[in-house]
Amino acid sequence: AQSVSQHNHHVILSEAASLELGCNYSYGGTVNLFWYVQYPGQHLQLLLKYFSGDPLVKGIKGFEAEFIKSKFSFNLRKPSVQWSDTAEYFCAVKAGGYQKVTFGTGTKLQVIP
Amino acid sequence: ETGVTQTPRHLVMGMTNKKSLKCEQHLGHNAMYWYKQSAKKPLELMFVYNFKEQTENNSVPSRFSPECPNSSHLFLHLHTLQPEDSALYLCASSLSGATDTQYFGPGTRLTVL
Repeated sequence: AQSVSQHNHHVILSEAASLELGCNYSYGGTVNLFWYVQYPGQHLQLLLKYFSGDPLVKGIKGFEAEFIKSKFSFNLRKPSVQWSDTAEYFCAVKAGGYQKVTFGTGTKLQVIP
Repeated sequence: ETGVTQTPRHLVMGMTNKKSLKCEQHLGHNAMYWYKQSAKKPLELMFVYNFKEQTENNSVPSRFSPECPNSSHLFLHLHTLQPEDSALYLCASSLSGATDTQYFGPGTRLTVL
């Protein structure tokens, strides 16, 4: 069965700092990868997703993620964070023909003005 | 507004009570999901329904009983719960299978006394 690891549980950054949140998954076959975000008081929503093609995926609000198959990773990046990026970020994977999406434990990002 | 609503938003129940959680989606989707979100744990998939048919039961105890009368509505019937069942229960929907973006509701915060 697939699993997802997010190694950073809580990240604190100053505005304009660069962000990289780690995500690793365990599954040897074809995967679909997602990053979801939950802003304070709001619903979980999709940030970006990778299905196939270009391994560098661009999402909303200036976020991007790179799928590195050899490293089983799908790290989330943003060159310059804003206070409004304060949220919890969840990496998720759908493996092969399975009909379930497995989520990581989430990373809480706090951006200090 | 994500188009997925959940009621009630908060629920406190005793271990001998019977209650139901309701989820409704207004997006024309055909797949619906129940997740459990506990503190410091990954989001746990409980059930998946596709075109009103249950396609995934992630080894959920029988004290949780889902019902999907149509593609727009999903219920989670609760009876004889345990205190460790206290969590945020999230409903989500997607166009069809798990490769599609999932749209989440706000959740029901359940406390079992």
